[in-house]
Amino acid sequence: EIVMTQSPATLSVSPGERVTLSCRASQSVFSSLAWYQQKPGQVPRLLIYTTSIRATDIPGRFSGSGSATEFTLTISSLQSEDFAVYYCQQYQYWPPTFGGGTKVEIK
Amino acid sequence: EVHLLDSGGGLVQPGESLRLSCAASGLPFSLYAMTWVRQAPGKGLEWVSSISGSGANTYYGDSVKGRFTISRDNSKDTLFLQMNSLRAEDTAIYYCTKCVAEGGHCYFDSWGQGTLVTVSS
Repeated sequence: EIVMTQSPATLSVSPGERVTLSCRASQSVFSSLAWYQQKPGQVPRLLIYTTSIRATDIPGRFSGSGSATEFTLTISSLQSEDFAVYYCQQYQYWPPTFGGGTKVEIK
Repeated sequence: EVHLLDSGGGLVQPGESLRLSCAASGLPFSLYAMTWVRQAPGKGLEWVSSISGSGANTYYGDSVKGRFTISRDNSKDTLFLQMNSLRAEDTAIYYCTKCVAEGGHCYFDSWGQGTLVTVSS
């Protein structure tokens, strides 16, 4: 099973700042990497798939990059509605596995 | 617009059974693999089980293999998860998700609202 490790576990950020979240795979997952956002009490929402493709209706301030074992989700200018937990997920290998999440909180 | 409506959760005692349902609309249901993902209270996301569009192929996580059974009724656009021999560690919100397959493997672009399963004596 591929282990996905996200860092940091928690990030304290001020609105308007640029945010970079990291996700590492225990072996290469090529570009088969997705990112999800989960706000408190809400359902996870797909943000990014295939490493860098934004899902439908996802704002342009969200971008994904990376390959193989190292991936990044960047929020160019954090908005108030972006405070949430972010999860990465690999789907190159069975079973699909998620990272433990990064909580982005207000500084 | 895809809509997934999860139901069937509740409070049960260890060793008991529960059947979850997910009613789908807004998509050609039989064309899509479907998946159950769960989230224990305050924890992250865990893949539980997947089923192919036809229902011919099913997949299970090690933690539920032999106890849970995934199935679907394509005539009613409904996904099921039969959960037997429930344990305290199965306590979680269970989400029905639509699988977008790339190279045979899935990411999840639509999620149900979730149904809470609590296993406690």
